[in-house]
Amino acid sequence: ILNVEQSPQSLHVQEGDSTNFTCSFPSSNFYALHWYRWETAKSPEALFVMTLNGDEKKKGRISATLNTKEGYSYLYIKGSQPEDSATYLCAPINQAGTALIFGKGTTLSVSS
Amino acid sequence: NAGVTQTPKFQVLKTGQSMTLQCAQDMNHNSMYWYRQDPGMGLRLIYYSASEGTTDKGEVPNGYNVSRLNKREFSLRLESAAPSQTSVYFCASSEAKLPPIYGYTFGSGTRLTVV
Repeated sequence: ILNVEQSPQSLHVQEGDSTNFTCSFPSSNFYALHWYRWETAKSPEALFVMTLNGDEKKKGRISATLNTKEGYSYLYIKGSQPEDSATYLCAPINQAGTALIFGKGTTLSVSS
Repeated sequence: NAGVTQTPKFQVLKTGQSMTLQCAQDMNHNSMYWYRQDPGMGLRLIYYSASEGTTDKGEVPNGYNVSRLNKREFSLRLESAAPSQTSVYFCASSEAKLPPIYGYTFGSGTRLTVV
């Protein structure tokens, strides 16, 4: 089971602010990294699956980068909106992985 | 709509009672998973089934059993419910690829309270 850490645990921003948070994981035998968005009272939804060092993925105002050599991924939200309020989960997986083990998440609250 | 269906959505059990949580997917996915959500703990993997006919333990399997009934259905059973099993349970499925590089599709969850 991979040891994954997400930071910060929570943060609060104002509407229009840009923000980012981190997912750290062991870099050895890396295979892929998943990001999920989880709104309160809903189900987690897949955002990105990243596999290549230096990879960058984007979906609207949300983007993610991946550094497999040092074992971290950043999730960026540009111009946060109240509807971005959610918990963002990451799940790294190594080459022996069979199921996703999630970090505890970063909970983002955006106020208008 | 295609997706993952969980039943029931809510359940209250008395300590010691048993019950089965049902999960079905209609996306022809081979892999299915059960997670539980607890405050401050994120999502923790209970059991998973990489393909029909196989099941494996996850992070927190104690007190649970699973059955992969067929390709569509994956059930989670609590034989003797305990208050510590009060949680929200999520079922998920994904296309068959190990290690998993396809995103999971989650059901809407079952909120279980054990009193």
